[in-house]
Amino acid sequence: DGGITQSPKYLFRKEGQNVTLSCEQNLNHDAMYWYRQDPGQGLRLIYYSQIVNDFQKGDIAEGYSVSREKKESFPLTVTSAQKNPTAFYLCASNPGTGHQPQHFGDGTRLSIL
Amino acid sequence: AQKVTQAQTKISVVEKEDVTLDCVYETRDTTYYLFWYKQPPSGELVFLIRRNSFDEQNEISGRYSWNFQKSTSSFNFTITASQVVDSAVYFCALAQYVKSNQFYFGTGTSLTVIP
Repeated sequence: DGGITQSPKYLFRKEGQNVTLSCEQNLNHDAMYWYRQDPGQGLRLIYYSQIVNDFQKGDIAEGYSVSREKKESFPLTVTSAQKNPTAFYLCASNPGTGHQPQHFGDGTRLSIL
Repeated sequence: AQKVTQAQTKISVVEKEDVTLDCVYETRDTTYYLFWYKQPPSGELVFLIRRNSFDEQNEISGRYSWNFQKSTSSFNFTITASQVVDSAVYFCALAQYVKSNQFYFGTGTSLTVIP
């Protein structure tokens, strides 16, 4: 079945440590997205990518970095510069045209040790 | 600026009651798209419906119905005869026509259906 796989489901970060969240899709979608979800704040866009080797900052990109070396993969690194990383992170994808709905993964919950 | 407001933070209803989730949006665009998503406790957002700004027809899908009114910038979602499985957080979202890949999400409405 086609879909989006995020891993790990739970992740713990130590102070000063960078961590990477994985997102893989087999839907052959061109566009991929990373969102952060905090209680009562809905979804906020961190980064998005419309094609391989290209990505744009969203509303809250500071303290995060991404890469898009393959169409299927869009990993997110939470750097030590992100001072409040505890949140639920959601990866999404869509074909990139025609205002198609975004399909979401199951999410990764990141906590600080 | 684009904005989506879901004023209802939490709603509780008893099973079999009808419930309406409100969504009000702001945009200066004449062409745009509106969406509803469901987020069950498992965390994944599930797409429910998409509506473009030129289509104001209401839609019904089983127990779900949507009322889109451009005059009031609203896209409300009604669940008829609610069930426990409807318990989830529901998000309304807006996508621009020009920057079609930027979605603007509301803060969500948490619905609890009590058996």
